[in-house]
Amino acid sequence: QVQLQQSGPGLVKPSQTLSLICAISGDSVSSKSAAWNWIRQSPSRGLEWLGRTFYRSKWSKEYADSVKSRLTINPDTTNNQFSLQLNSVIPEDTAVYFCVSGNYYFDYWGQGTLVTVSS
Amino acid sequence: EIMVTQSPATLSVSPGERATLSCRTSQSLSRNLAWYQQKPGQAPRLLIYGASTRATGIPARFSGSGSGAEFTLTISSLQSEDFAVYYCQQYDNWPRTFGQGTKVEIK
Repeated sequence: QVQLQQSGPGLVKPSQTLSLICAISGDSVSSKSAAWNWIRQSPSRGLEWLGRTFYRSKWSKEYADSVKSRLTINPDTTNNQFSLQLNSVIPEDTAVYFCVSGNYYFDYWGQGTLVTVSS
Repeated sequence: EIMVTQSPATLSVSPGERATLSCRTSQSLSRNLAWYQQKPGQAPRLLIYGASTRATGIPARFSGSGSGAEFTLTISSLQSEDFAVYYCQQYDNWPRTFGQGTKVEIK
């Protein structure tokens, strides 16, 4: 059974960088059959897929157009985890952020982190 | 981007009754649709994938049907633990997109 444990701050100032980490147990971030996603949820935007990273013969990263210029998702093979970095945040980035596993549908979810963008 | 529309927004049902939730997509998906249940303060939980395949550990009272652009989630006899918000999600195309949810509340 895969378990995902999120960590990171709950408050970020406008224009700064939102950083979250998702630790994986029960699977490997380097698995050739898995994909590791970030999804956020807010009252205004609902559930929104942000991006993913996955390993096949090399590492790949894919991002939603809405955040592509500001988002980086990185795998960390040493610690079996992956991270999210969202730059230049604005109040509209306030949401609950989830790390999630899945290539097509999403089968395992982290506990969620409420991130508030406010000065 | 494929738009996903769920109806109704809220469904009031008595315990033991049947609930029928609808999900429509802006393009045909074949059967690449999943359903999730979310309770307050929790992450969504995968119920159904492939439009009709129950995920591991999901009770048989949950069933999915449909294909193309119209899908249905049926809860045959609502239990107290089933009152929650339900989301559908398409995985036929990128980006993956979700509906806005149907809240199933106690009548």
